[in-house]
Amino acid sequence: AQKITQTQPGMFVQEKEAVTLDCTYDTSDPSYGLFWYKQPSSGEMIFLIYQGSYDQQNATEGRYSLNFQKARKSANLVISASQLGDSAMYFCAMRPLAGNNRKLIWGLGTSLAVNP
Amino acid sequence: DGGITQSPKYLFRKEGQNVTLSCEQNLNHDAMYWYRQDPGQGLRLIYYSQIVNDFQKGDIAEGYSVSREKKESFPLTVTSAQKNPTAFYLCASSTRDSPYEQYFGPGTRLTVT
Repeated sequence: AQKITQTQPGMFVQEKEAVTLDCTYDTSDPSYGLFWYKQPSSGEMIFLIYQGSYDQQNATEGRYSLNFQKARKSANLVISASQLGDSAMYFCAMRPLAGNNRKLIWGLGTSLAVNP
Repeated sequence: DGGITQSPKYLFRKEGQNVTLSCEQNLNHDAMYWYRQDPGQGLRLIYYSQIVNDFQKGDIAEGYSVSREKKESFPLTVTSAQKNPTAFYLCASSTRDSPYEQYFGPGTRLTVT
């Protein structure tokens, strides 16, 4: 069965420091995509970054990078130089890439608080 | 500007009434989705549609209904059969090209008393 696990219900980080949010996954699909989303208190889900299982390099988008370790089935999100506006819920998600199924499997999220 | 709109932001209804939540997108996306989110929880898929005039049940479809008569629109009706309808509802659509990342609207917070 496909599953996403985010083991950190809440995290704190000091402004300007880096923080890693954990995500492990379970799937039997040979190819799959991993996604991270941010949900601020306003409620809207914001797409942050994507990693394909066959991508040779870890994905990066500005201050966001994805530490992808395929053998360990982990896809941790790294936020560098944290800002106060990074305080939000963060969700990890996955979907198989083969076929036309576009459904995402979601984790339960990690709440990040950035302290000034 | 392209995006997804959901209206209204807050919605209040009496128990026993059906209510329809609006979702419109101008991103030219084929697929659209409805999710429910409860406090402290992740997202649960209610219904999704990959093409006009076609839709599939998600994980928690009971008590909900949808239609997809136009590419741009995917309204969700919360019926009186839904036992616990108070929640935050998010609509999303996904791109034409792989990996089909989903883009979300601002959400509707429904309160039924």
